Amino acid sequence: AQKVTQAQTEISVVEKEDVTLDCVYETRDTTYYLFWYKQPPSGELVFLIRRNSFDEQNEISGRYSWNFQKSTSSFNFTITASQVVDSAVYFCALSEAMEGGSEKLVFGKGTKLTVNP
Amino acid sequence: EAGVTQSPTHLIKTRGQQATLRCSPISGHTSVYWYQQALGLGLQFLLWYDEGEERNRGNFPPRFSGRQFPNYSSELNVNALELEDSALYLCASSATGRTEAFFGQGTRLTVV
Repeated sequence: AQKVTQAQTEISVVEKEDVTLDCVYETRDTTYYLFWYKQPPSGELVFLIRRNSFDEQNEISGRYSWNFQKSTSSFNFTITASQVVDSAVYFCALSEAMEGGSEKLVFGKGTKLTVNP
Repeated sequence: EAGVTQSPTHLIKTRGQQATLRCSPISGHTSVYWYQQALGLGLQFLLWYDEGEERNRGNFPPRFSGRQFPNYSSELNVNALELEDSALYLCASSATGRTEAFFGQGTRLTVV
């Protein structure tokens, strides 16, 4: 079965620091997708990125960047120059194929990030 | 464009009662997924509906059920509520064949 491990339960940084959230996954599938979601206190899961298992290029979006390394089954997320608004719980997720043709998401336990002013 | 919307935002029920949660997907999305986020258990897949039919369900008892309407909105029903059903229930939608799932703000169900 698929598994996602986010070893960091909580991280606390001071504003403007860079912070990396770790994600390690296990899968037997050759094709899969990896995701990151942000969950602010309001509860909604905000989609950040989806990465195909065949695309190992790193991605940058503003202050966010993602490092996908298939060799180590990791998909880490870095926030550069963190801001107070980045405070949230961040979830890494892995797609798992279901009967019927779609995929469900298998989530890690999440990392709670607190950015202090 | 409106995102995934869920109602109600909060729901308080007594043990043994039934709860009904509602979800409207993003326009054009035909798949609806329900997830439960219970304290200590993380986010777990509950149900998947597509084109009006239940396609798959997670490891939850039959008292968790639902349906999808012709307009692709969905209801999640939880019968014979137990205290441990207290959780945030999140609905997501996606277009057919797409793996990107966009989530609503959730319904926080409290069973007392």
